[in-house]
Amino acid sequence: GAVVSQHPSWVICKSGTSVKIECRSLDFQATTMFWYRQFPKQSLMLMATSNEGSKATYEQGVEKDKFLINHASLTLSTLTVTSAHPEDSSFYICSARGDNNYGYTFGSGTRLTVV
Amino acid sequence: GENVEQHPSTLSVQEGDSAVIKCTYSDSASNYFPWYKQELGKGPQLIIDIRSNVGEKKDQRIAVTLNKTAKHFSLHITETQPEDSAVYFCAAGGYGNNRLAFGKGNQVVVIP
Repeated sequence: GAVVSQHPSWVICKSGTSVKIECRSLDFQATTMFWYRQFPKQSLMLMATSNEGSKATYEQGVEKDKFLINHASLTLSTLTVTSAHPEDSSFYICSARGDNNYGYTFGSGTRLTVV
Repeated sequence: GENVEQHPSTLSVQEGDSAVIKCTYSDSASNYFPWYKQELGKGPQLIIDIRSNVGEKKDQRIAVTLNKTAKHFSLHITETQPEDSAVYFCAAGGYGNNRLAFGKGNQVVVIP
């Protein structure tokens, strides 16, 4: 089946630094990548949608300059949290969708803690 | 856009009993309904899905039913086991729609 590899699984960083999270589709071409944020005991909150080779589309209220998304290839998308602050601490999850299927395949998530 | 409601928010069942989670959706154009299981600290995993051209689908102890007229679909877990304890999310969307709408999740606790 479809597999999405997400790294790192957890990261601790200092306030003001930037953190990059990677998602790779291992056995299919991810024409669309979705990035979610999840707070404890809550549902998935869509942050942005990116199509390979295009600029990401951000959801209302999500700062595009703070959460930089790159989807330069059909197998790799990255989310960079710039100038991180403690309130950015959260669980970030990517999801990928190929061109010929309905379903989304999720990564394993990244626990970001900003101290 | 699509709006998905999921009930109940928490469900406790005795091991061996059945668990049922129900979701409703608003957009009659939705034609794809997946269910995801999320364990603590992990990403959601697809456990079963159904398309609008069928009313029921079963995979071992897990089944999903779809009522297009009423716009609701349900997840059924039979002979529950402790490892079934997790958060379950339903979603609705369709090919051509660029995104799925997720329910708020249901915490299922299987009591040994």
